[in-house]
Amino acid sequence: QLQLQESGPRLVKPSETLSLICTVSSGSIRHSNYYWGWIRQPPGKGLEWIGSIYYSGSTFSNPSLERRVTISVDTSKNLFSLNLSSVTAADTAVYYCARLHYDYASGTYKGFDQWGQGTLVTVSS
Amino acid sequence: QSALTQPASVSGSPGQSITISCTGTSSDVGDYDLVSWYQHHPGKAPKLIIYEVTKRPSGVSNRFSGSKSGNTASLTISGLHTEDEADYHCCSYAGSGTWVFGGGTKLSVL
Repeated sequence: QLQLQESGPRLVKPSETLSLICTVSSGSIRHSNYYWGWIRQPPGKGLEWIGSIYYSGSTFSNPSLERRVTISVDTSKNLFSLNLSSVTAADTAVYYCARLHYDYASGTYKGFDQWGQGTLVTVSS
Repeated sequence: QSALTQPASVSGSPGQSITISCTGTSSDVGDYDLVSWYQHHPGKAPKLIIYEVTKRPSGVSNRFSGSKSGNTASLTISGLHTEDEADYHCCSYAGSGTWVFGGGTKLSVL
């Protein structure tokens, strides 16, 4: 069973860069039928899609976060990562990594079908 | 790109049916049959229960069903169980590789 695990600092200072890694195990990140994404949930609020990446390196980001978001993939280590720059208290959230099922043959998407447990990142001085 | 609109909370008794709405725009829900729903118990990872508006992943109970009309998608849970008590989130493709979620709905099974 594929597993995703988020890792990174739990506390980040305002104006600094939030950096997280998602390690994928029991499955290859180099699969044509999957994108890999980051999603967050601020306390008491709904989920917010941050961005997605394909193993080739092609990325898509939430327009509201685009200027601050960098998502990259390391296929040799089977992981992908998130950098969010110039953070404020509004970036405090549980951050999830997830797999987006993409049916390469039909070109359609079948949902975020595997998720990590999530990690709470707090922005505070 | 604005969040999809969901009711903050819904409730029902065991055995009853409930429906959660998810309203977007003609640029997301109304334009693509790519709405998915997630069940989220606090402290756990969200679980995909509906994709492509109406389809259920393997292993998901047929008590969960999805539909869409215009810019509004809906999730119906029939024969409520106490373990259905959770947060439910809708999500839609919004074009150009982007996705938008709803604000989430807390389901209470009384």
